[in-house]
Amino acid sequence: AQKITQTQPGMFVQEKEAVTLDCTYDTSDPSYGLFWYKQPSSGEMIFLIYQGSYDQQNATEGRYSLNFQKARKSANLVISASQLGDSAMYFCAMREDQDTGNQFYFGTGTSLTVIP
Amino acid sequence: EPEVTQTPSHQVTQMGQEVILRCVPISNHLYFYWYRQILGQKVEFLVSFYNNEISEKSEIFDDQFSVERPDGSNFTLKIRSTKLEDSAMYFCASSEIPRNNQPQHFGDGTRLSIL
Repeated sequence: AQKITQTQPGMFVQEKEAVTLDCTYDTSDPSYGLFWYKQPSSGEMIFLIYQGSYDQQNATEGRYSLNFQKARKSANLVISASQLGDSAMYFCAMREDQDTGNQFYFGTGTSLTVIP
Repeated sequence: EPEVTQTPSHQVTQMGQEVILRCVPISNHLYFYWYRQILGQKVEFLVSFYNNEISEKSEIFDDQFSVERPDGSNFTLKIRSTKLEDSAMYFCASSEIPRNNQPQHFGDGTRLSIL
């Protein structure tokens, strides 16, 4: 089974609107971390936001917030007030605490296009 | 802000040749990683490295691959005899002591093209 599933290959959003990028995960480890990365067309991977499995509150980082629903095993990224510079690929990733090698598992990504 | 640096940004190599990809992790980080991303696909884990030895490696990381930390700053990935399917973007990453809240910091990647 896939550790991370991102079901939206591509998304469009109007500038200044909010958009939600979906991510579901699969793990039996009770302790894990969830991360979102942004990959612009230039190729670099930029860390955006983190959510821990034991965190009671949803993570927020500027215009980014994470809608964490543990029972549903989902960790959706919400981008508010979209900007043209938000156009990029977005990857959800997970780390399991029991993994001594600290491997990150990535999803297939969502391509976000912000329309002026 | 400190960053992971990778060289070269693009490497073109004939099939069967050896290639070495270089990385300088963030200086106070202790864990180092290599990932690859075949064009249009997801990022895949290759190997993690800590205390001068491999912590974990994936099925992709076969005998053709090796990693080394030859000095106090560089971290290298060697592919001994490249194949066409090795064409991909290769990312180096580093992190502090792994905890769930520690992101891995990625370099800008090396695009490897095998001819």
